[in-house]
Amino acid sequence: GQSLEQPSEVTAVEGAIVQINCTYQTSGFYGLSWYQQHDGGAPTFLSYNALDGLEETGRFSSFLSRSDSYGYLLLQELQMKDSASYFCAVRDQDTDKLIFGTGTRLQVFP
Amino acid sequence: DVKVTQSSRYLVKRTGEKVFLECVQDMDHENMFWYRQDPGLGLRLIYFSYDVKMKEKGDIPEGYSVSREKKERFSLILESASTNQTSMYLCASVRGSYNEQFFGPGTRLTVL
Repeated sequence: GQSLEQPSEVTAVEGAIVQINCTYQTSGFYGLSWYQQHDGGAPTFLSYNALDGLEETGRFSSFLSRSDSYGYLLLQELQMKDSASYFCAVRDQDTDKLIFGTGTRLQVFP
Repeated sequence: DVKVTQSSRYLVKRTGEKVFLECVQDMDHENMFWYRQDPGLGLRLIYFSYDVKMKEKGDIPEGYSVSREKKERFSLILESASTNQTSMYLCASVRGSYNEQFFGPGTRLTVL
């Protein structure tokens, strides 16, 4: 089966850089995704890494290392609006299901 | 603009009631999913569907059933609601084997 571990909470100040880690145990998956969810809102897709390496989209970057069973989301130039929960997810190769991590709550302070 | 809608944002039901949660997507997506979200547990998959009239159990299907009579609509049914089914329910859809799931706004269900 699949399991994805994330830190439960991360805090940072505006303008800073923060890294949210995702370590996983999985028998096989297509790639690693990241979703953002504001309080009371629906999860929204942020990024997807099919291959090892870094993918950059504006202030957000995502990284995957299959050999280390590890990925991370990097948020730069933090803004107050980045305060939200962030979930990593993998799509299982056998079942095609999307398996989510437990989520990391990011709080950005002024 | 892509849209997934859910029939209610908030719902309060009594133990033993039959509960229907409706989800509609306007993107002609083949795949639809129902999750529940609880603090500290993330999103857990209840059921999913690859096509009309097709359904597959997710990780926590007990106490739930689903119906997909039309491509755009995926319903979650609680045959006899129980207090441990108090949760946030999220519906999502995705085109084929793509990776970006589109989520509805969620239904916060309270079972008394």
